Amino acid sequence: DAGVIQSPRHEVTEMGQEVTLRCKPISGHNSLFWYRQTMMRGLELLIYFNNNVPIDDSGMPEDRFSAKMPNASFSTLKIQPSEPRDSAVYFCASSSSGVGADTQYFGPGTRLTVL
Amino acid sequence: AQSVTQLGSHVSVSEGALVLLRCNYSSSVPPYLFWYVQYPNQGLQLLLKYTSAATLVKGINGFEAEFKKSETSFHLTKPSAHMSDAAEYFCAVRLNNNDMRFGAGTRLTVKP
Repeated sequence: DAGVIQSPRHEVTEMGQEVTLRCKPISGHNSLFWYRQTMMRGLELLIYFNNNVPIDDSGMPEDRFSAKMPNASFSTLKIQPSEPRDSAVYFCASSSSGVGADTQYFGPGTRLTVL
Repeated sequence: AQSVTQLGSHVSVSEGALVLLRCNYSSSVPPYLFWYVQYPNQGLQLLLKYTSAATLVKGINGFEAEFKKSETSFHLTKPSAHMSDAAEYFCAVRLNNNDMRFGAGTRLTVKP
């Protein structure tokens, strides 16, 4: 299996621009997670999908952030408009059930820099 | 609320020495506990996980961790450090839901 695939790996944009991050989970996994990693706040869960349905979006920082999962093999995280404080590494992870001792498999991340 | 605390943001050991990375959890019910490793510019990779089947859990790359309920700890150890072990290590806790909380991470440096 190719693992969790994220694109782009690096994104540099200017403040105010729209940013779209993409994720392809491992085939057969029905849970998908978006995380943000910064030096100040560590690793934070932004949103969690189960069977393509958003279950918990309490970690989404504000309305500028939105996430979708139109099908089992694709998810997007969009920031509009972007701000310098959104600069971070964004990880996507997937798992087969999303609960209990189930392992989450992480993608390589997207390093976002907002100038 | 459940959480984990990793003691020491940086740990430095010599090659061949014992590695000990500390993690304490707070949970009112038996938790699921995980250790992940992150190499530079990569995502997190599972090292091992505690599922209540056994208190001593063996993981990949020679790492193991022991669940101690009396101490609310889940420390990660490796008898002999290798240069390739240099990375950041995260402890994580989850109850029987989707709420998974990660510690702040411990950066391990291995000196030759």
